[in-house]
Amino acid sequence: NAGVTQTPKFQVLKTGQSMTLQCAQDMNHEYMSWYRQDPGMGLRLIHYSVGAGITDQGEVPNGYNVSRSTTEDFPLRLLSAAPSQTSVYFCASSYGRGRVAFFGQGTRLTVV
Amino acid sequence: AQSVTQLGSHVSVSEGALVLLRCNYSSSVPPYLFWYVQYPNQGLQLLLKYTTGATLVKGINGFEAEFKKSETSFHLTKPSAHMSDAAEYFCAVKGEGGSEKLVFGKGTKLTVNP
Repeated sequence: NAGVTQTPKFQVLKTGQSMTLQCAQDMNHEYMSWYRQDPGMGLRLIHYSVGAGITDQGEVPNGYNVSRSTTEDFPLRLLSAAPSQTSVYFCASSYGRGRVAFFGQGTRLTVV
Repeated sequence: AQSVTQLGSHVSVSEGALVLLRCNYSSSVPPYLFWYVQYPNQGLQLLLKYTTGATLVKGINGFEAEFKKSETSFHLTKPSAHMSDAAEYFCAVKGEGGSEKLVFGKGTKLTVNP
């Protein structure tokens, strides 16, 4: 049982480049979300999805796009990377109300 | 909107001493509360959770937390610190408006001294 899998683990981008961070879960969870973690800021919600075809913005959505075509996958797209997007990104999934959220191992992104 | 305040961004204790990490929350509805631990260069791992029922919740690795509604607190404790407890700890809340969105505190980094 793999849980929540994120790829890649590390990435360096140049300013203006685009990329997609992948997230997949094999627990049939309805709810998936993306967070970014910055020193002293805790984790902040970027985007989330309550099911296939349904996404919504979180606290810090600017510069990021998401889609949810299947229950299993929830990719995060950076259309034009900026140094301010240098961060560690975590994907999480949960089954429903009150249930525990499971986190991936994170993607460490550096934008130069 | 829900929020979480963790008092103390850094806490240092001696091995064998009591660990107390403070968390206060704000919520307009009965909250679901969580403590997660993050070891260096790792993801987040659930320590314990409070949803309903017993207000004293026991988690993994000897940690426990008590939900105190009157104080809007959910402090994390462990009677005797171990070197392996050194990590960053995050308190989180969710449930407002039926939402699954987790709102995190800014984290507390625990150092355990020999």
